[in-house]
Amino acid sequence: GAGVSQSPSNKVTEKGKDVELRCDPISGHTALYWYRQSLGQGLEFLIYFQGNSAPDKSGLPSDRFSAERTGGSVSTLTIQRTQQEDSAVYLCASSFGVFYEQYFGPGTRLTVT
Amino acid sequence: DAKTTQPTSMDCAEGRAANLPCNHSTISGNEYVYWYRQIHSQGPQYIIHGLKNNETNEMASLIITEDRKSSTLILPHATLRDTAVYYCIVRVTSSNDYKLSFGAGTTVTVRA
Repeated sequence: GAGVSQSPSNKVTEKGKDVELRCDPISGHTALYWYRQSLGQGLEFLIYFQGNSAPDKSGLPSDRFSAERTGGSVSTLTIQRTQQEDSAVYLCASSFGVFYEQYFGPGTRLTVT
Repeated sequence: DAKTTQPTSMDCAEGRAANLPCNHSTISGNEYVYWYRQIHSQGPQYIIHGLKNNETNEMASLIITEDRKSSTLILPHATLRDTAVYYCIVRVTSSNDYKLSFGAGTTVTVRA
């Protein structure tokens, strides 16, 4: 079946611009997670959705970061006024529920120039 | 403190079995052993998980020792596409333990 998809695969933006990253989870998965991974670094948790609500936003680095999920499916991560330190691969994962294994998408590579 | 320890790297011949060890000597009774891998420039990929019984799926087998202090991931017939960093983690499948965090993992290189 179809896995987690993310778009765009690559995004280059100028410092100060806003960007939107999209995630399409596996159909039927109620839990959705955003992580980011800087070059050569480990996973950094950003936010977790259960359905359309986000019980845990603790990993969002600043108020420039926000995310929403609509219809219990697609999620969008928005970064406002991008900074160079936002450059990373942004990964989305989904699972049947929080107890289950997470399946990752291919990621969006964000480069802020 | 890291909950798991893995060798930094290992080589494997194509077509042979790859046996990846992981030590988790402080594992709790309610913690599962999970394996993920990350091929270069791709997102992490779930492989397998288990609690105390050996597990097998289409990708790999997971052998957990009786005392649960260590485990081995077995890729039965390694191919060049299995070259990746393999991560062994332990986690409680509860509502509070969903933030995945990987250590350094084992860099596996499959050679023709």
